[in-house]
Amino acid sequence: EVELVESGGGLVQPGESLRLSCTASGFTFSSYWMHWVRQDPGKGLVWVSRVSPDGMTTAYADSVKGHFTISRDNAKSTLYLQMNSLRAEDTAVYYCVRKGVEPGTFDYWGQGTLVTVSS
Amino acid sequence: DIVMTQSPDSLTVSLGERATINCKSSQSVLYSSNNKNSLAWYQQKPGQPPKLLIYWASTRESGVPDRFSGSGSGTDFTLTISSLQAEDVAVYYCQQYYSTPTTFGQGTKLEIK
Repeated sequence: EVELVESGGGLVQPGESLRLSCTASGFTFSSYWMHWVRQDPGKGLVWVSRVSPDGMTTAYADSVKGHFTISRDNAKSTLYLQMNSLRAEDTAVYYCVRKGVEPGTFDYWGQGTLVTVSS
Repeated sequence: DIVMTQSPDSLTVSLGERATINCKSSQSVLYSSNNKNSLAWYQQKPGQPPKLLIYWASTRESGVPDRFSGSGSGTDFTLTISSLQAEDVAVYYCQQYYSTPTTFGQGTKLEIK
């Protein structure tokens, strides 16, 4: 059974950093594109970032470009999101998401980890 | 970025009745190479992550009940639940994957009357 488990969320002050982790199991992690998608409190879904199976190709939403970094460790079946210079508007639940077989779709989601940026 | 707009924002339907949710994209999401629309629908129940229901606008994901159907082309799409069940209470999102960044609609909250 595919499972994605996020960790690392919490309460931080503006300007601080946080690293999210997502541990995957139940599938060959190194074969899949992986994404982070966030959900603002009580609001909709926003794509944040993606990384290729080999970790060499990444992409970011304009809103996080330059202050978030996505990476992966295929040996540990773990996806990361390094978040620097956090701002109040980064407050959200962050989901680790597997790209589906069909291009552009997301077939498995973790339960999410809440990041709150507040002074 | 392609803007996805759903209507209505919320919907109340009786058990066993039909529920219809609309999604409009700011530009066509028809992928010319395969003549398919790059549009997906997700269901998010309270306290859970989203779940993929439909992709290519009308193809049901494995295991999704056949009371869920998707239709539309170009810029206008519809998710239909033919006979509403209690377990269908959720927020539904459309998503375009025609261009980067992928974008989602704002969501439609479906409740039981």
